[in-house]
Amino acid sequence: AQSVTQLGSHVSVSEGALVLLRCNYSSSVPPYLFWYVQYPNQGLQLLLKYTTGATLVKGINGFEAEFKKSETSFHLTKPSAHMSDAAEYFCAVSGGYQKVTFGTGTKLQVIP
Amino acid sequence: GAVVSQHPSWVICKSGTSVKIECRSLDFQATTMFWYRQFPKQSLMLMATSNEGSKATYEQGVEKDKFLINHASLTLSTLTVTSAHPEDSSFYICSAPTGVSNQPQHFGDGTRLSIL
Repeated sequence: AQSVTQLGSHVSVSEGALVLLRCNYSSSVPPYLFWYVQYPNQGLQLLLKYTTGATLVKGINGFEAEFKKSETSFHLTKPSAHMSDAAEYFCAVSGGYQKVTFGTGTKLQVIP
Repeated sequence: GAVVSQHPSWVICKSGTSVKIECRSLDFQATTMFWYRQFPKQSLMLMATSNEGSKATYEQGVEKDKFLINHASLTLSTLTVTSAHPEDSSFYICSAPTGVSNQPQHFGDGTRLSIL
């Protein structure tokens, strides 16, 4: 069994400020963890993934996430928010590359 | 890289119509594909697992007769929403694992279905 909890359905940051989107997971097997971004009326775009190895993973558009097994967390960060980062972000978990369980999503608003 | 193509991207039709959505793996074979549904402002919920050459596996609460899934080849899965009603209006997304180690699933761009 696997599940994902995203804390905060809406997050607002000022342009240039740190972005932190929280994700906690549970999984009965070693998890594969993902962050996806979805722009309005569009599909999903993979930002980054953790499977094995280095626990700090870097993704596209300056985002990164750190897998912390002891905290069962996989928070997404970006040092400096840009207006184009405004979108909905989904954390997801799978046991290997089978069905993916998504969190409820966090809508990121960037304030000029 | 591996790509999943989903068609159509947008459908508007009358209540009672049946709508077919296609999901194709373009440069890899997919023995398994997944179908998700996303209600407005909500997350993606897995509807069913499509298995090539055998019956789909539906998640609890998903009507098998309402959402017909066919996975007739290693590159194509179809989802047919039968006798669609306004409550079936949603965003449907398919995905497929490439089967290659360390490669995540690839998602289609989704189909927005609007039933009038």
